[in-house]
Amino acid sequence: DVKVTQSSRYLVKRTGEKVFLECVQDMDHENMFWYRQDPGLGLRLIYFSYDVKMKEKGDIPEGYSVSREKKERFSLILESASTNQTSMYLCASSLYQIGGELFFGEGSRLTVL
Amino acid sequence: GENVEQHPSTLSVQEGDSAVIKCTYSDSASNYFPWYKQELGKRPQLIIDIRSNVGEKKDQRIAVTLNKTAKHFSLHITETQPEDSAVYFCAASKVDTGNQFYFGTGTSLTVIP
Repeated sequence: DVKVTQSSRYLVKRTGEKVFLECVQDMDHENMFWYRQDPGLGLRLIYFSYDVKMKEKGDIPEGYSVSREKKERFSLILESASTNQTSMYLCASSLYQIGGELFFGEGSRLTVL
Repeated sequence: GENVEQHPSTLSVQEGDSAVIKCTYSDSASNYFPWYKQELGKRPQLIIDIRSNVGEKKDQRIAVTLNKTAKHFSLHITETQPEDSAVYFCAASKVDTGNQFYFGTGTSLTVIP
């Protein structure tokens, strides 16, 4: 059974703080993704990665960066958190580059005060 | 880029009735269309998917239909049960963007016992 684990379920940070959201998958998947989920806006792709040390911008990369030093770990970084980054963040992984099932983590709910 | 629209945003049905959720997409090159179900407080999970070379796919009480000409696809749930209550997301993907999915904004389905 695929497991995607996000290190923090709930975080509260202050404006301007640096925030790290960690995601680990245990199925040797090549592909990993970070999505942001907001009511009425669905799931929007922030960044994705098809390989170690590789990253690609998604639809809303502004204000975010990512790191993938190891195949199983994909980190989302908010260099200077702002209130409009208050949201639910979902990490996902998949095996196949094309048309494969996405396996999601439980999500990290971030509140920026 | 691709634009996926999903309707309705909320849907209430009586237990035992059918539910239909519709999505349209803009990019005719999209060729893979999954549906994800997200129960309250849980991660999204794939429930059914369809590829552009078929028009319909069924799995017990759920089915998905695809009209490539009109660029729309629908999720059909028959004999609804309270455990079908959840948020449902449609998505579209195409081969040359790898596993980059474009999600709809979600439909909150409530099945009334």
